[in-house]
Amino acid sequence: GAVVSQHPSRVICKSGTSVKIECRSLDFQATTMFWYRQFPKQSLMLMATSNEGSKATYEQGVEKDKFLINHASLTLSTLTVTSAHPEDSSFYICSAKGDSAYEQYFGPGTRLTVT
Amino acid sequence: GNSVTQMEGPVTLSEEAFLTINCTYTATGYPSLFWYVQYPGEGLQLLLKATKADDKGSNKGFEATYRKETTSFHLEKGSVQVSDSAVYFCALTSGSARQLTFGSGTQLTVLP
Repeated sequence: GAVVSQHPSRVICKSGTSVKIECRSLDFQATTMFWYRQFPKQSLMLMATSNEGSKATYEQGVEKDKFLINHASLTLSTLTVTSAHPEDSSFYICSAKGDSAYEQYFGPGTRLTVT
Repeated sequence: GNSVTQMEGPVTLSEEAFLTINCTYTATGYPSLFWYVQYPGEGLQLLLKATKADDKGSNKGFEATYRKETTSFHLEKGSVQVSDSAVYFCALTSGSARQLTFGSGTQLTVLP
């Protein structure tokens, strides 16, 4: 099956700094990538949908200036959490799909802790 | 809009017990249905899927049948193992929407 990687798997940063999370599709071209946030013992909350070469579409309530998403190539999307605060601590998961596929492939997730 | 209602957990079973996790959905058009599994500290893995009515998805001993008449996609396994302990999510995609709509997840713990 298709493989999606995320880097880093865990990151700890200080309040006020920015953190970048990478999501890569390793063996297919991902025309669409999704970013989710998961709180402890809860379901996944879709944050935004990004299509290669265009601006991301953010879900209601997600601050686009705080969560910057870039999908510059068919194999890479990045999520940058700017001026991070402790309440941004969470598990961030990306997924990717090709243009003709309906199935999404998920990355292993990134645990962000803001101190 | 689309929605997925999933049996609330947590569910605790003894090894070799029978498992059912209920899932019902509301969707426009003809959705594709999925079960994902999340092991501790990891991302989601697709467990099984069904793309049309009466299809049965199966994998690793788990099964789920797409029931259009009852708008359900219940997950079953005849004999669970300790290694099946995880969180299970029911999900769907529908029509032109590319996003997955997830249920709330069900925590399964299997005791030896």
